[in-house]
Amino acid sequence: QSVLTQPPSASGTPGQRVTISCSGSSPNIGSNTVHWYQQLPGTAPKLLIYNTNQRPSGVPDRFSGSKSGTSASLAISGLQSEDEADYYCAAWDDSLIGWVFGGGTKLTVL
Amino acid sequence: EVQLLESGGGFVQPGGSLRLSCAASGFTFSNYAMSWVRQAPGKGLEWVSGISVSGGSTYYADSVKGRFTISRDNSKNTLYLQMNSLRAEDTAVFSCARARDTAMINPFDYWGQGTLVTVSS
Repeated sequence: QSVLTQPPSASGTPGQRVTISCSGSSPNIGSNTVHWYQQLPGTAPKLLIYNTNQRPSGVPDRFSGSKSGTSASLAISGLQSEDEADYYCAAWDDSLIGWVFGGGTKLTVL
Repeated sequence: EVQLLESGGGFVQPGGSLRLSCAASGFTFSNYAMSWVRQAPGKGLEWVSGISVSGGSTYYADSVKGRFTISRDNSKNTLYLQMNSLRAEDTAVFSCARARDTAMINPFDYWGQGTLVTVSS
């Protein structure tokens, strides 16, 4: 059971906009920024969004993040086949004094 | 180019021990907090342990507290994870990950490919 809650799956067709939610609580998302990782099949995770809504260099602006209270969301617009991957949210937890992850969302591009 | 290369994984019986290493290159290792993150087969990511730039502060997930010990040798650009009293549920690919900056609360911007640890009788 993960501390952060994500839907196990999401899907969309090419060109569509999809969102992935991440629900937490006061010590984690409620108190700290949220980060998102993309894990393509058979590869190491890649930092996709950091500090809730910042994109590392090289990440397309099709990817965006937001947060409200103890929940966060990752939005992907103009969905492409190469976006098919597992997506994880993460946040520092002030009570656990460590990192917590969501269980991951498998995105399928139909 | 930043590189993180893990080693030390393998097959071990329940109750056994392993020591993982992560050799870092392409950056000033002593300037970054580091962590170990694991992924059980077919499962999600789980943060295991983290260490400050100097090694003076260490952090552990409850699931490994008292059994695992993280350490670093900045002179050798290497991160370690000593794992004792291993259990079947510790079976996973263990990856080292670099924090984006000096502090532990920074997200991980580089990950290694991981080393597989299998705990089974």
